[in-house]
Amino acid sequence: QKEVEQNSGPLSVPEGAIASLNCTYSDRGSQSFFWYRQYSGKSPELIMFIYSNGDKEDGRFTAQLNKASQYVSLLIRDSQPSDSATYLCAVMSAGGTSYGKLTFGQGTILTVHP
Amino acid sequence: AAGVIQSPRHLIKEKRETATLKCYPIPRHDTVYWYQQGPGQDPQFLISFYEKMQSDKGSIPDRFSAQQFSDYHSELNMSSLELGDSALYFCASSLWGNSNQPQHFGDGTRLSIL
Repeated sequence: QKEVEQNSGPLSVPEGAIASLNCTYSDRGSQSFFWYRQYSGKSPELIMFIYSNGDKEDGRFTAQLNKASQYVSLLIRDSQPSDSATYLCAVMSAGGTSYGKLTFGQGTILTVHP
Repeated sequence: AAGVIQSPRHLIKEKRETATLKCYPIPRHDTVYWYQQGPGQDPQFLISFYEKMQSDKGSIPDRFSAQQFSDYHSELNMSSLELGDSALYFCASSLWGNSNQPQHFGDGTRLSIL
């Protein structure tokens, strides 16, 4: 079992809909969680990060964290075709010399069709 | 704002050759992370440095070595290159000790082994 698991894709939503991306992690001690967007052949681009239970909103994006369930999600409202990309969930190690290391999920491919 | 700079952007090598990838972190960042992303894969952590000392080591082959210099830039040295080393190599930087500090990635180096 991977340390970070994302919901299997690909995910296809119509333009204007809400896209929901999910991620679970195995290290209960993890403190910081990140969502990156990656276009093919490009570097990961930070979308959101969250470290407290609850919701965090930034424009059309909302990250949700539930540490008890070891679950983090990303909602994209009013999805646009330009949101079509691979979304990577990443969990940061907080312990010792592994501090700061990111462990990524396998990614979810999102397609927003007009 | 200044970002993480990687060079070269593209590199083509033949089997058994050597390659050196360079990473210049965001100014004042003291920690550098290297990741390898194979085709269709999520980024895998290779190695990290804090204040010029190796802080953590992941799935990095013994053929690879890296270091961080006094100006905080880092170099990843790869020898006896194999076809399986063809991948995108990303560098990220951050400030050590701040778990809420997200990592920002450079544009990456695409390494192709012929």
